[in-house]
Amino acid sequence: AQSVAQPEDQVNVAEGNPLTVKCTYSVSGNPYLFWYVQYPNRGLQFLLKYITGDNLVKGSYGFEAEFNKSQTSFHLKKPSALVSDSALYFCAVRDRGSTLGRLYFGRGTQLTVWP
Amino acid sequence: DADVTQTPRNRITKTGKRIMLECSQTKGHDRMYWYRQDPGLGLRLIYYSFDVKDINKGEISDGYSVSRQAQAKFSLSLESAIPNQTALYFCATSDPGGREMNEQFFGPGTRLTVL
Repeated sequence: AQSVAQPEDQVNVAEGNPLTVKCTYSVSGNPYLFWYVQYPNRGLQFLLKYITGDNLVKGSYGFEAEFNKSQTSFHLKKPSALVSDSALYFCAVRDRGSTLGRLYFGRGTQLTVWP
Repeated sequence: DADVTQTPRNRITKTGKRIMLECSQTKGHDRMYWYRQDPGLGLRLIYYSFDVKDINKGEISDGYSVSRQAQAKFSLSLESAIPNQTALYFCATSDPGGREMNEQFFGPGTRLTVL
């Protein structure tokens, strides 16, 4: 079974501070991992993905994520948070051995960056 | 996300009514998906289609049906709406290109309220 856990419903950080949004996953095989962001009244926007290779993946808007196979984690990070980063963030996983192409999403983490 | 459009954007209806949500895409992708989003539950897959002749149930297909009228169009129907189908509905597309690593692209969503 494939699943994604985002252990924090909410993350609050001050502008300029580093931020981390946590994600752990469970798949039967090796994963493709994704992060999406949802701004109010908008659809989900793709941020970044891990396919293979370097465990540190860089994405849009200065975000990056670190893949850790031993801890089955894919935490989203940003060195210096902006108020405009405030949004709902979703982690998603797909088993690369599957031909179904389905993504499994976590429940989302609401990030609030205060001035 | 103008490449993936959804109509209507908002809909209020009554219990027992038939509702159709429509999705169109100009990305030329073969794969299309319908998700619903509920607070605290993340996104759950309702149906997905890998091409016009291939439609598959997702994890929460009961009470829903779909139609893939063309490569670019994928409609979701609620035959007899009930209040617990009140949710935000998203259409998404992806292009596998022979691999499963590609991200999905989301429409802006339809907010459905069933009274």
